[in-house]
Amino acid sequence: EADIYQTPRYLVIGTGKKITLECSQTMGHDKMYWYQQDPGMELHLIHYSYGVNSTEKGDLSSESTVSRIRTEHFPLTLESARPSHTSQYLCASTEGLSYEQYFGPGTRLTVT
Amino acid sequence: AQSVTQPDIHITVSEGASLELRCNYSYGATPYLFWYVQSPGQGLQLLLKYFSGDTLVQGIKGFEAEFKRSQSSFNLRKPSVHWSDAAEYFCAVGGYTGNQFYFGTGTSLTVIP
Repeated sequence: EADIYQTPRYLVIGTGKKITLECSQTMGHDKMYWYQQDPGMELHLIHYSYGVNSTEKGDLSSESTVSRIRTEHFPLTLESARPSHTSQYLCASTEGLSYEQYFGPGTRLTVT
Repeated sequence: AQSVTQPDIHITVSEGASLELRCNYSYGATPYLFWYVQSPGQGLQLLLKYFSGDTLVQGIKGFEAEFKRSQSSFNLRKPSVHWSDAAEYFCAVGGYTGNQFYFGTGTSLTVIP
């Protein structure tokens, strides 16, 4: 059973606030990912990490930032939330040899 | 450019009927192909994957998929659908580096009694 956690599950916040979405995995996976998911759209990769102190931006332009100080933790931060950031955010990690991605349950963010 | 196309936005089938969900991909190298399922309010769960070898792959929950290189397709099938299969299904493609994966827009499956 894969263990990857995201908090909070739901968040409603006002414009201009700083927020951090948490993602943790207990599987020791080196690679971790953040996706943005909107209804009827493909999942868009916004950030990924090869391992500790390694982060890259994905194809989708994003105003968010990430950090990877510990293997198990990959938080995503929005310095100033805007209504355009309203979406579902999915965190995932990959077991290196199988390329199977394990997904967290997601954080549904609403910016008012 | 890498991309995945799922031409069917929504499919409705009767319980017990067979199912086929279509997936076409565009990828510049040898593709690694995946099908995921997402239930409401949940993350994605891997159903099956293809890396190489036998082009017909078996997955969990009775699903299978066939890789056809000449058609750039990786269609998902199930011979007899159960009501619990109602969910959103995503096809994805990635490369051997495992650094980036590209997903389709998903197919929503409704199962009627």
